[in-house]
Amino acid sequence: EVQLVQSGAEVKKPGESLKISCKASGYDFPIYWIAWVRQMPGKGLECMGIIYPGDSDTRYSPSFQGQVTISAARSTRTAYLQWSSLKASDTAMYYCARPTRDRTSFFDYWGQGTLVTVSS
Amino acid sequence: QSVLTQPPSVSAAPGQKVTISCSGRSSNIENNYVSWYQQFPGTAPKLLIYDNNKRPSGIPDRFSGSKSGTSATLGITGLQTGDEADYYCGTWDSSLSTSVFGTGTKVTVL
Repeated sequence: EVQLVQSGAEVKKPGESLKISCKASGYDFPIYWIAWVRQMPGKGLECMGIIYPGDSDTRYSPSFQGQVTISAARSTRTAYLQWSSLKASDTAMYYCARPTRDRTSFFDYWGQGTLVTVSS
Repeated sequence: QSVLTQPPSVSAAPGQKVTISCSGRSSNIENNYVSWYQQFPGTAPKLLIYDNNKRPSGIPDRFSGSKSGTSATLGITGLQTGDEADYYCGTWDSSLSTSVFGTGTKVTVL
């Protein structure tokens, strides 16, 4: 059974750093892209970027380029999303999701979400 | 950042039908497959329709999808109270080189 299990909720202050995770199981981790999707409170879904764990090829959506870093560790079958300096506007639910074929494909599996709250 | 436009809300009585539109452009909907996701409050989105009109295993045939030109449509027939949720369209945008989603539509069963 394919599963994407994300790390728990985080409460941080502006300016702090953060790294959240998405652990995959039930499929051949290196050969499927994994994306990160943001959902701000009461808002829609936004694709932030995507990584291919097989060779760490990473693509960022224009709005998120330079704002976050996406990485993956094949040894632990885990994808990561990190910030070096959080802002209040980073408060959102973050989902990891797996495209079924290639990076242009639909997302057939989703993590349960990680709520990030940034507040002074 | 949503580049696909959906109506904010649609509603109908139990047993009736609703349709949700998703409007885009040539760089996204017209030249790429469309998918639809259902999201209940506090939960992750769930794939409902893929490749414009295909249903994953376990999705009832009350849900259907179609696409024409730069627009796509999700239809829900035999509306049930359990269908009350937010619905999002999604596709690839060749100009932005990223997946994009619709603005989302809240379905209310009257």
